[in-house]
Amino acid sequence: DGGITQSPKYLFRKEGQNVTLSCEQNLNHDAMYWYRQDPGQGLRLIYYSQIVNDFQKGDIAEGYSVSREKKESFPLTVTSAQKNPTAFYLCASTHKPGTDSNQPQHFGDGTRLSIL
Amino acid sequence: QKEVEQDPGPLSVPEGAIVSLNCTYSNSAFQYFMWYRQYSRKGPELLMYTYSSGNKEDGRFTAQVDKSSKYISLFIRDSQPSDSATYLCAMTATIVNTGFQKLVFGTGTRLLVSP
Repeated sequence: DGGITQSPKYLFRKEGQNVTLSCEQNLNHDAMYWYRQDPGQGLRLIYYSQIVNDFQKGDIAEGYSVSREKKESFPLTVTSAQKNPTAFYLCASTHKPGTDSNQPQHFGDGTRLSIL
Repeated sequence: QKEVEQDPGPLSVPEGAIVSLNCTYSNSAFQYFMWYRQYSRKGPELLMYTYSSGNKEDGRFTAQVDKSSKYISLFIRDSQPSDSATYLCAMTATIVNTGFQKLVFGTGTRLLVSP
């Protein structure tokens, strides 16, 4: 089955620790995205990548880092600089954006990150 | 003021009722409009996707867009307990000089359908 796989489902971070969230897709999508979801707020864009080896900051990139070495993978690292990391993190992907025919984003089932 | 406004609910209805979910927006550059359904502890699932003003129907779901009023709606006919979820509206605008189509979400409306 084609889809987006996020792991782990639950993750706990200690003070001063970096943690990495995995996102893998087998949809052959070009673009991948990371969002953060907090109660009472809409999804907010952290980082996005339109092509391998290239990525751009979203609206709330501070305290996060990403890499895009392979088309199917877009891991997100939550660094110790992110002071309020507790949230539900969602990865999404789509075919190449910016074309005339917009392609809607499809989402994984998320990773819930909590602080110990 | 948020770019996209959505009532958080919860909206409680009996089984079989017609449900109306709504979003308003302020940015006239928004081009594509989507509704996602999100069950607890799951990722959003795309329900409806539309571009132009007017209605689009898919089974029990109808998406309505009124660009002149900057208002979109999702109607659910014959609602079922399995429709209980959070419904997120989302819309895209192209970022100048990048071609990137940014997706902006409403906060979501929680729907509860009782048997």
